[in-house]
Amino acid sequence: NAGVTQTPKFQVLKTGQSMTLQCAQDMNHEYMSWYRQDPGMGLRLIHYSVGAGITDQGEVPNGYNVSRSTTEDFPLRLLSAAPSQTSVYFCASSYGRRETQHFGDGTRLSIL
Amino acid sequence: AQSVAQPEDQVNVAEGNPLTVKCTYSVSGNPYLFWYVQYPNRGLQFLLKYITGDNLVKGSYGFEAEFNKSQTSFHLKKPSALVSDSALYFCAVRNSGGYQKVTFGTGTKLQVIP
Repeated sequence: NAGVTQTPKFQVLKTGQSMTLQCAQDMNHEYMSWYRQDPGMGLRLIHYSVGAGITDQGEVPNGYNVSRSTTEDFPLRLLSAAPSQTSVYFCASSYGRRETQHFGDGTRLSIL
Repeated sequence: AQSVAQPEDQVNVAEGNPLTVKCTYSVSGNPYLFWYVQYPNRGLQFLLKYITGDNLVKGSYGFEAEFNKSQTSFHLKKPSALVSDSALYFCAVRNSGGYQKVTFGTGTKLQVIP
């Protein structure tokens, strides 16, 4: 099994550009989440999904959109990139509330 | 709102000595508690979790953690540290009722000195 796959691994954008960070899991997990990791701030939840067609906001949703059309995929869209969105982004999935989360290896995003 | 505190940004320990990484939490209702480890340029990896039952939880790589409800703590421990244990450790909490978001601590960097 591949687990949780994130693409791309690295990306540099200019302010105002848009892009989509891809996340796919092959474990048939219901729950998927997007986090950003910034120095000294741990992981902060951006958006999450409890199943196909169901998404909700986390702590820091502004500037990001998500959709969940299939169980496997949970893309994160940056609508108009800003330097404050420079971060490392992690996607995670789990089978249920009690279960551990499986993380991808992250996307390192720089906004110039 | 639920929260997690990891009071130490960094813990240094000599190889072979016992290690402790501290975590306290605040949550309404019964907590689900997790420890994850992160190696450079990688995602988080699961170490152990407390859901219910025995307060002492054993996990991967010889790590264990003790759930203390009265002190709202879930400290990570290992009897004998290895250099390869050097990494960033995250404590996380989730409320057991309904779907609640997972809240992570800010992380503790563990440095094991040879």
